Amino acid sequence: KAGVTQTPRYLIKTRGQQVTLSCSPISGHRSVSWYQQTPGQGLQFLFEYFSETQRNKGNFPGRFSGRQFSNSRSEMNVSTLELGDSALYLCASSLAVPRDGYTFGSGTRLTVV
Amino acid sequence: AQTVTQSQPEMSVQEAETVTLSCTYDTSENNYYLFWYKQPPSRQMILVIRQEAYKQQNATENRFSVNFQKAAKSFSLKISDSQLGDTAMYFCAFRTQGGSEKLVFGKGTKLTVNP
Repeated sequence: KAGVTQTPRYLIKTRGQQVTLSCSPISGHRSVSWYQQTPGQGLQFLFEYFSETQRNKGNFPGRFSGRQFSNSRSEMNVSTLELGDSALYLCASSLAVPRDGYTFGSGTRLTVV
Repeated sequence: AQTVTQSQPEMSVQEAETVTLSCTYDTSENNYYLFWYKQPPSRQMILVIRQEAYKQQNATENRFSVNFQKAAKSFSLKISDSQLGDTAMYFCAFRTQGGSEKLVFGKGTKLTVNP
């Protein structure tokens, strides 16, 4: 079966712009989570959606937002981009059963210049 | 708050040998789940092995096994018969049984398998 699909793979934006990243989970997975990965901070949790509702949010500013659609696809939006937002953004989907862990996509590499 | 610590930023091993990656965690929870993920240069995080805290038996997946010491809050990964394809970043991760549905990751260990 198809894995977690993230688009685009690479993105270059300038400071002050906004960006939207997309994630399509594995079919049947209703939980979608987003993580930011940087060399300095490692992997940090952004937020998690389940059945179109945000269930949990990490410690990120309000410029970071997301949503989930009825087909479980999710989007993440970052407004007023800053240089420090340059990172690999990973999406992961799950059956929402803790023991199953998450299945990750290949990520979107965002570079802010 | 839960924390995960991987004390070895980098490790190397010869092909066909065995290597152990260390992970410790801190939590006040009694029921939780532990995972090892592998991230090769392709960037995709791949689940290597998982352990449920209420199970005393250590998990095993082919060449990968864990040494889970709940009292010591230790969760190490052993890779036997190392292969060149095992070269990757390895992340230890923790997830509570309920409530906060997120993974808490360690900083990772960069493993290089040398021919």
